[in-house]
Amino acid sequence: KAGVTQTPRYLIKTRGQQVTLSCSPISGHRSVSWYQQTPGQGLQFLFEYFSETQRNKGNFPGRFSGRQFSNSRSEMNVSTLELGDSALYLCASRPGPQETQYFGPGTRLLVL
Amino acid sequence: GESVGLHLPTLSVQEGDNSIINCAYSNSASDYFIWYKQESGKGPQFIIDIRSNMDKRQGQRVTVLLNKTVKHLSLQIAATQPGDSAVYFCAENVYGQNFVFGPGTRLSVLP
Repeated sequence: KAGVTQTPRYLIKTRGQQVTLSCSPISGHRSVSWYQQTPGQGLQFLFEYFSETQRNKGNFPGRFSGRQFSNSRSEMNVSTLELGDSALYLCASRPGPQETQYFGPGTRLLVL
Repeated sequence: GESVGLHLPTLSVQEGDNSIINCAYSNSASDYFIWYKQESGKGPQFIIDIRSNMDKRQGQRVTVLLNKTVKHLSLQIAATQPGDSAVYFCAENVYGQNFVFGPGTRLSVLP
């Protein structure tokens, strides 16, 4: 099976812009989670979608949003970008609750 | 709570020696745990998992130990190789909730 794929891999934006990141889970996986990884804060959970419904949400402002489509693909959007949003954004998928979670390669976002 | 990785502990081992990476998890209700390996520029890679009804689980060159009494998880790597150099994360999970990650440990393998 193909692994989790994320597009784009690298992105440069300026403050105030918005960005959309995409994630395609492993075939058959219905759950997709998003994480933000920075050197100072480690791996921080953003949100999880299961069968198109947001199931869990982390402690991030409303500028961070996501959605999941009927084919389990997911998108994450960040509006009004801030310098502090520069990070590696990781997507992970799993078949269901308490199943093994697998990560994609990430999208590295740089906000100037 | 969420990971607050402010400092990244580092473990340096000689090639061929065994490595032990430790993790203190936060939630006594957690009943599923995963160890991940992350190499520079890549996403975390699944190594091994363990459920709370087990104390020990072995894989290829790796062993995970779980001590629920003190909320402690460890990853043992046998005969450590240069390719094992990476950051290792433990992740804990309660059924129906998201995974929570530890701050990570950097493993450096010395020639």
